[in-house]
Amino acid sequence: AQSVTQLGSHVSVSEGALVLLRCNYSSSVPPYLFWYVQYPNQGLQLLLKYTTGATLVKGINGFEAEFKKSETSFHLTKPSAHMSDAAEYFCAVSLSGGSYIPTFGRGTSLIVHP
Amino acid sequence: DAGVTQSPTHLIKTRGQHVTLRCSPISGHKSVSWYQQVLGQGPQFIFQYYEKEERGRGNFPDRFSARQFPNYSSELNVNALLLGDSALYLCASSYRAMLINEQFFGPGTRLTVL
Repeated sequence: AQSVTQLGSHVSVSEGALVLLRCNYSSSVPPYLFWYVQYPNQGLQLLLKYTTGATLVKGINGFEAEFKKSETSFHLTKPSAHMSDAAEYFCAVSLSGGSYIPTFGRGTSLIVHP
Repeated sequence: DAGVTQSPTHLIKTRGQHVTLRCSPISGHKSVSWYQQVLGQGPQFIFQYYEKEERGRGNFPDRFSARQFPNYSSELNVNALLLGDSALYLCASSYRAMLINEQFFGPGTRLTVL
């Protein structure tokens, strides 16, 4: 079984500030981990994913995430927030050796102030 | 190339009615998955179809059913609608059966049950 916890339903930052969105997971086998972004009235877009190999993963739009097995975390960061980053962000986990059906977190709404 | 398309965009039904939602995958993609996203929560997996066969089913009642056609498009059917079925229904397509890595999401159908 797997689960995902996203800490903080809302995160507010100023434009140009560091973005940090937290995700902790629970998995009985090595996980595959994902971050998706959802803009209003749109579907989900994959930002980045971790499957195997390098634990620091770079994605689109300047985002990156680091897989930390000891902390069961996969936090999403971006050095400098843009107004266009305001959206809903979802962390997801799937099992590497199972059905691959993803389990999503409840989402974190990123608010960017000018 | 066109992305994943879904129809209708919005739908209003009353309790007890039946609804059919439609999805057209990206050209060449053979797998379609359906998700339910209730307001304020992450997407929850409903079904996956690959090559017209059901490959996965989430924890949803039998009122939910789906099928995939020879052209790989798909329908999601929900019978005896309940107020709790109000949600954004997302369709995702991928070339292979595995749900990770390669899913592309459509914009969703917003279903409101009154």
